Amino acid sequence: GNSVTQMEGPVTLSEEAFLTINCTYTATGYPSLFWYVQYPGEGLQLLLKATKADDKGSNKGFEATYRKETTSFHLEKGSVQVSDSAVYFCALISNTGFQKLVFGTGTRLLVSP
Amino acid sequence: EAGVVQSPRYKIIEKKQPVAFWCNPISGHNTLYWYLQNLGQGPELLIRYENEEAVDDSQLPKDRFSAERLKGVDSTLKIQPAELGDSAVYLCASKVNSGANVLTFGAGSRLTVL
Repeated sequence: GNSVTQMEGPVTLSEEAFLTINCTYTATGYPSLFWYVQYPGEGLQLLLKATKADDKGSNKGFEATYRKETTSFHLEKGSVQVSDSAVYFCALISNTGFQKLVFGTGTRLLVSP
Repeated sequence: EAGVVQSPRYKIIEKKQPVAFWCNPISGHNTLYWYLQNLGQGPELLIRYENEEAVDDSQLPKDRFSAERLKGVDSTLKIQPAELGDSAVYLCASKVNSGANVLTFGAGSRLTVL
């Protein structure tokens, strides 16, 4: 079945540092890929998405590129802020058959001033 | 546009008691999902509805969990009786049938079973 693997956290960074959170996936066909973010005490929010190979999703300074050859969708940000502290989930959904959104286990990001 | 609305936000019950969660999806969203999120884990699908039909309930523990979406809009998820291991956050999400497969999530209902 489809699955998503994320790097374990927590990831601890100082403000303005560069962020990478690794995500790889296993899926049949050509899924759509997502990053969701969960701030403390809040629900999941869509951060960015990509629907086909080589697409780059971007939002709020975050970026991720759909790499079919390496089955990856790594999240990056050039300069993190304290307000970026949250849990980040990589996810995929198949574009055929059962349209179930499958999540990774999440990576907690802690940014200190 | 109002988002996905869930209630209650928090519920504390004793084991063996029943509990119910309610979800109102975004207007016009035909597909509705219930997910379970255990502490420190990613959400896992419990059930998916297309309008009023449950099209994927393979992960729903049917001995104690039930769900309904009678008019294809609001949905209720019930647990009876609750067990200690049911303590988790229950998330509802919805999306339109066509276009991009983007799910919008509610804030979740956090259940604590004592």
